[in-house]
Amino acid sequence: QQQVKQSPQSLIVQKGGISIINCAYENTAFDYFPWYQQFPGKGPALLIAIRPDVSEKKEGRFTISFNKSAKQFSLHIMDSQPGDSATYFCAASPLGGATNKLIFGTGTLLAVQP
Amino acid sequence: GAVVSQHPSRVICKSGTSVKIECRSLDFQATTMFWYRQFPKKSLMLMATSNEGSKATYEQGVEKDKFLINHASLTLSTLTVTSAHPEDSSFYICSARPGLTYEQYFGPGTRLTVT
Repeated sequence: QQQVKQSPQSLIVQKGGISIINCAYENTAFDYFPWYQQFPGKGPALLIAIRPDVSEKKEGRFTISFNKSAKQFSLHIMDSQPGDSATYFCAASPLGGATNKLIFGTGTLLAVQP
Repeated sequence: GAVVSQHPSRVICKSGTSVKIECRSLDFQATTMFWYRQFPKKSLMLMATSNEGSKATYEQGVEKDKFLINHASLTLSTLTVTSAHPEDSSFYICSARPGLTYEQYFGPGTRLTVT
C-alpha cells in the first residue's frame, strides 16, 4: 500500500512533442504529490507538486493532472526540448506526522530527440 | 532559494575506513533532513530521517551502527559510513525540509567509492 507505481520506464519523444509520465498509488492517506527531475550524477530537483484538493496544476511547460478517484497522477511536459532529457520521479507523501516521508516511484528516463 | 549542499561531491576510501558526508541547508532552517541511497539507474532508497537534536529514525534493513547520522543544528546533518566496504559504494543524497512544509529539497549527492 506504500508503493507508487510509475510508467513508462523509459520514453522517447521528438522535440516539440508532449511527454506524459503516469503514476498510481493505493494509499489514500497520501496528501502531497511532487515530481522531481534528475540529471545524471546530480541530485533530484523539485519540479512541480500538487495537493489532492486540485485536479491540475501548471507551471510553465509542466503540468500535473491529478485524479483522486482513480488514485492516479501524471506529469505532462509540453513542447519537450532536448534539455528536458533526464530521469523523472514521481513521489507521494502521507498525511500528518513530523517527518512526511516521500515514497518514490521507480523513475522514467526521458529522451527528447532533436 | 531552498539550496542544499553536500560535501564532498566525490570520495574514494579504502575498505575498513570511515567516511563522513555533510549536508547543509544554505538559505533555510531544516528541522528534518533525510538521507537516501541511489544505485545506478534506480530510484531513491530512503535510509533514515533525522530531526534536529534527536536521534535519527532508520528504515528497515539499514544498519544504524554502520550509517551514523547526526543532525546537530538546523542547517547541518552528517552521515558517517563506518568501516566501509566495497558494497557500500553508492550515490548518497540528502534532502532537507524547511520547517513543517511538505517540500523536500535535495543536495547534489556524494559519490562514494570504496576500494
